[in-house]
Amino acid sequence: QSVLTQPPSASGTPGQRVTISCSGSSSNIGSNTVNWYQQLPRTAPKLLIYSNNQRPSGVPDRFSGSESGTSASLAISGLQSEDEADYYCAAWDDSLNGVLFGGGTKLTVL
Amino acid sequence: QVQLVQSGAEVKKPGSSVKVSCKASGGTFSTYTINWVRQAPGQGLEWMGRIIPILGIPNYAQKFQGRVTITANKSTSTAYMELSSLRSDDTAVYYCATAPGAVPAATLYYFDYWGQGTLVTVSS
Repeated sequence: QSVLTQPPSASGTPGQRVTISCSGSSSNIGSNTVNWYQQLPRTAPKLLIYSNNQRPSGVPDRFSGSESGTSASLAISGLQSEDEADYYCAAWDDSLNGVLFGGGTKLTVL
Repeated sequence: QVQLVQSGAEVKKPGSSVKVSCKASGGTFSTYTINWVRQAPGQGLEWMGRIIPILGIPNYAQKFQGRVTITANKSTSTAYMELSSLRSDDTAVYYCATAPGAVPAATLYYFDYWGQGTLVTVSS
């Protein structure tokens, strides 16, 4: 069972704004920054957000991240069909001395 | 821009070992760490461990301690992940991924480049 907790699914219609939550603890999100990865079907994960709210070059500004205490969120505005994918949060955990991933959220664009 | 190219798919018997390679190009090998992440069919991502090439020091997730060995060859910019005592639930796609920084801080630890993945199937 993942220590970073995400909802298993989320959905929205084109143009809508959706958010995906990620809940952790003081040893991971409470101490270290959160990163988000997007995994399209049958492909390797891709870095979407790093350091809580930073977008790598090439990631549209429709994607944004935030963090507060021991929780984080990924927001996707202006939802598009190509956003349909699995989304994972991740953070270093000081107690485990390693990286923790959330269980993943499958986003469906209706 | 770093590119990571992994070795091909493997089929292994239970109890055997598998060694997956990850060759890096387009960057300086000593300026990042190499991590291994696996994904069982239909499941999420799971971090297995990492190696800091500049130091040659690995560290492993507790779950895999004693079964996984991660090494790196600086001269060929290639990292390896060997998993022993394979079981059917080790069937997964194994990814290598880089974390920027020769010795990245825990407070800023993310995977910026990923290999294409290597499917390891464990079956009798």
